[in-house]
Amino acid sequence: NAGVTQTPKFQVLKTGQSMTLQCAQDMNHNSMYWYRQDPGMGLRLIYYSASEGTTDKGEVPNGYNVSRLNKREFSLRLESAAPSQTSVYFCASSEVQGATYNEQFFGPGTRLTVL
Amino acid sequence: GDSVTQMEGPVTLSEEAFLTINCTYTATGYPSLFWYVQYPGEGLQLLLKATKADDKGSNKGFEATYRKETTSFHLEKGSVQVSDSAVYFCALRRFSGTASKLTFGTGTRLQVTL
Repeated sequence: NAGVTQTPKFQVLKTGQSMTLQCAQDMNHNSMYWYRQDPGMGLRLIYYSASEGTTDKGEVPNGYNVSRLNKREFSLRLESAAPSQTSVYFCASSEVQGATYNEQFFGPGTRLTVL
Repeated sequence: GDSVTQMEGPVTLSEEAFLTINCTYTATGYPSLFWYVQYPGEGLQLLLKATKADDKGSNKGFEATYRKETTSFHLEKGSVQVSDSAVYFCALRRFSGTASKLTFGTGTRLQVTL
C-alpha cells in the first residue's frame, strides 16, 4: 500500500505559467482534499471532494481548480501561477461512514515556488 | 467560524524533559479534536484524537484531554526523545455533507536535544 502519493515533489514556475499537481490514493477512500501550508499559517483547505463526481471550495480556493478524475485521483490546477501561490501543497484522503470519523491520510507534499 | 490557537514555537527541550504544547479552540457545538505530527520532509500523520468532552487521546507516550469547559486540548508527554523533534499541529473537525473538514492551528515546532 502506497497510501497517498503526490507528483511532482518539487516544482519551480514563472509567474503566469500553468501546472497541475497530481494526487492518487490506493485506500479506496471516498473523500479527498487539497491543502496549502504556509509559514505561520498552518494548513488551509483549498478544495475538497466528498465523493467521486463532487468538488467543493474550501477556505482559499481563488486561483485554483480541481478535478476528481475517478475515485483514486484528485488533481489541483493552477491556471496562471502567481508568487502568492508559492507554498507546500498537501493532498489527503479519508473515509466517512455515516457519522463515524476516519482519519485523513496525507501525502508527502509538493513544494511549489513561483518566481 | 472555527479557529484553533497553538502556542508559539519553537519549543526546545532536553531529552527526558516534560512536554506541554498548549492548544485552545473556538467552535460551536462539539467538534472532534486532533493532534497531527509532521516530521521533516514528510506529510502529516495523525498522533491522537478525542471525539467528545473529557475523552483522553493517547499514542506513543503522548496524551491530550478534551476539556470543553476551557476549550482546550493540550498535548503532553512525560519524557521526550530526540526522535520526537517535529512540528505538531492541533486541529478540529467538522462534517460538511459527507466530508470531514479540518481546521488547523499554526503548528508548534519541537526540538529535543541530547
